[in-house]
Amino acid sequence: GNSVTQMEGPVTLSEEAFLTINCTYTATGYPSLFWYVQYPGEGLQLLLKATKADDKGSNKGFEATYRKETTSFHLEKGSVQVSDSAVYFCALIRTGTASKLTFGTGTRLQVTL
Amino acid sequence: SQTIHQWPATLVQPVGSPLSLECTVEGTSNPNLYWYRQAAGRGLQLLFYSVGIGQISSEVPQNLSASRPQDRQFILSSKKLLLSDSGFYLCAWSLAGGPGDTQYFGPGTRLTVL
Repeated sequence: GNSVTQMEGPVTLSEEAFLTINCTYTATGYPSLFWYVQYPGEGLQLLLKATKADDKGSNKGFEATYRKETTSFHLEKGSVQVSDSAVYFCALIRTGTASKLTFGTGTRLQVTL
Repeated sequence: SQTIHQWPATLVQPVGSPLSLECTVEGTSNPNLYWYRQAAGRGLQLLFYSVGIGQISSEVPQNLSASRPQDRQFILSSKKLLLSDSGFYLCAWSLAGGPGDTQYFGPGTRLTVL
C-alpha cells in the first residue's frame, strides 16, 4: 500500500535559519506529492505540490523537488520566519475514482527569535 | 472562487450523545468530498469519501457514518459518541477525476467527548 514517512519533530530553529523537513514515500506507479501546512487551531492549507518526477513545487519561499530515484520530496526554505511556525504534512495521491490522500504524521516546526 | 465551510467550529459532547457535523462547498459542482480525523498528536486519517450524491465509501470501521444529501453538502454523524471520537475533524473537497487532484480543506471542527 501507499505510505509517507516524515522526520520526527518538533524542529526548533532560530529565525533566518535554513529548514529541511525530510519526506519519503512508498507507492506503486507515479503518485502526485504534496506539502500541506497547518497553523495553530486551523485547517490544512496546500503549500506546494509536484505531479511528476523532477518537478519542483514552490510557494512562499518553500521548495520541494519530486525525486523518484530516492522516493523523496523534502521540504526546504532558505530563511525561516517566526510566522512559519506550524505543522507540516507531506502527502501523496494515487489517482483513481476518488483521489485519496495518504498523509505523513506531520512535523511541528517552531521558529524562535 | 471555491470556499468550504464547516460547523460548528468547536463542540463538547458527553459520551453516548449523538453527533452531526456539517460541511458545505461553494463555487464548484460535483466535487469529491472527504472527511478526515486528526487525533491529538497524530496524523490525519481518512474516514469517508464521496464521489456523488448518496455515494459514500468508508475507509475505517467505526461508529461514525457519513451522508451526502446534496451535491455540495457532506455530513458526519454518530448515534452514540465514544471517548475515542475526540479529535479535529476536517472536511475536504477536490475536483472529480483527473490526475493529481488537489484537496482543499475546511477550517475544521474540534470535538471533545467527555
